Amino acid sequence: NAGVTQTPKFQVLKTGQSMTLQCAQDMNHNSMYWYRQDPGMGLRLIYYSASEGTTDKGEVPNGYNVSRLNKREFSLRLESAAPSQTSVYFCASSEAGTLLGKNIQYFGAGTRLSVL
Amino acid sequence: AQTVTQSQPEMSVQEAETVTLSCTYDTSENNYYLFWYKQPPSRQMILVIRQEAYKQQNATENRFSVNFQKAAKSFSLKISDSQLGDTAMYFCAFMRPLSYQLIWGAGTKLIIKP
Repeated sequence: NAGVTQTPKFQVLKTGQSMTLQCAQDMNHNSMYWYRQDPGMGLRLIYYSASEGTTDKGEVPNGYNVSRLNKREFSLRLESAAPSQTSVYFCASSEAGTLLGKNIQYFGAGTRLSVL
Repeated sequence: AQTVTQSQPEMSVQEAETVTLSCTYDTSENNYYLFWYKQPPSRQMILVIRQEAYKQQNATENRFSVNFQKAAKSFSLKISDSQLGDTAMYFCAFMRPLSYQLIWGAGTKLIIKP
């Protein structure tokens, strides 16, 4: 029962380096999400993919790009990392639909990213 | 825009006591979803309980229950018979149906003392 799997769990980058955070879900969910969590704040949505083949900006998309590779996988890319992107990143997925149960988001274990 | 406010940054209670975490939100929508998530030190975000706004009955999941006051836009979480394993950050979240976006409160750190 893997659920949502994120890799890596930890990463340290230097300013200007690039990297891709990987996310995969095995629940056959339609929608996937990327959030960041900063101290003293709730999660903020970076990008989401309502369904395979679509992506949309969330609340804080600047400095990030995403790819919905297939129904299972949704990656987040930092092209030129900045210290302001130091955060914990969470991937989530949901079935999505009109019923409450389909809108429950299931989360991965997170990636702690430090940009020096 | 919708906002979610958790006014208690930190709370602590003795094991076996009952504790209530508060959450208020602001919206002009009539139907929406509300959630409480738990984030233990492991960092994993775990769903505790959920509520649909048009349902009058308060949701209950074992020791966890909510007091949903739609007119007051309040969604508090009650934990009965608290256990050491309940120690965690608790986040309240709001979603409009089909919006794909969860709006989160800043969280309440709950410490259960032995």
